Amino acid sequence: KAGVTQTPRYLIKTRGQQVTLSCSPISGHRSVSWYQQTPGQGLQFLFEYFSETQRNKGNFPGRFSGRQFSNSRSEMNVSTLELGDSALYLCASSELIDHTGELFFGEGSRLTVL
Amino acid sequence: QQQVKQSPQSLIVQKGGIPIINCAYENTAFDYFPWYQQFPGKGPALLIAIRPDVSEKKEGRFTISFNKSAKQFSLHIMDSQPGDSATYFCAAKGTSYGKLTFGQGTILTVHP
Repeated sequence: KAGVTQTPRYLIKTRGQQVTLSCSPISGHRSVSWYQQTPGQGLQFLFEYFSETQRNKGNFPGRFSGRQFSNSRSEMNVSTLELGDSALYLCASSELIDHTGELFFGEGSRLTVL
Repeated sequence: QQQVKQSPQSLIVQKGGIPIINCAYENTAFDYFPWYQQFPGKGPALLIAIRPDVSEKKEGRFTISFNKSAKQFSLHIMDSQPGDSATYFCAAKGTSYGKLTFGQGTILTVHP
């Protein structure tokens, strides 16, 4: 069974631009979560989707948004990029929304904002 | 507001040593406590997890000890190997949905 797939793996943007990151969960998994990982802040929860509905949202500004499609694939978007948005963005999937902590992470999309 | 505090930030041991990583939490609504292992260039991977009604759980060389009254839990790695060199994160899951709150991570180096 294929793991969580994230694209693109690396990207470079400039301040003010926007970016869209994509995540394909493990087949059969209906819950997708997004996390931001930085050296200073560690792993921070962005949002969680289940059956195309956002179920939970972290403490990030409205520039960060996401959605989930009927096939469970998910995208996240960051508009008006700032230097501080440079990070590794991790997508994770689980079979159920109450996954008892058993998230399966992808390898992440590393975003650099210049 | 950080709700899971992890220490130490980094840890160096010799092969065969027993590194111990500690975490403390504040929110009593947490109901599940997983540990994740992350290698460079990879996403975190679930290592072992425990529920608060259990005081200890072992899986291979990895053991979690849980002290519910003190709101603390720790990871012990028995007979550590150079291949265990990685970053380790403790985490806690709230009772609503699946959001995980992570500790800051511990960089473990096991020398041969």
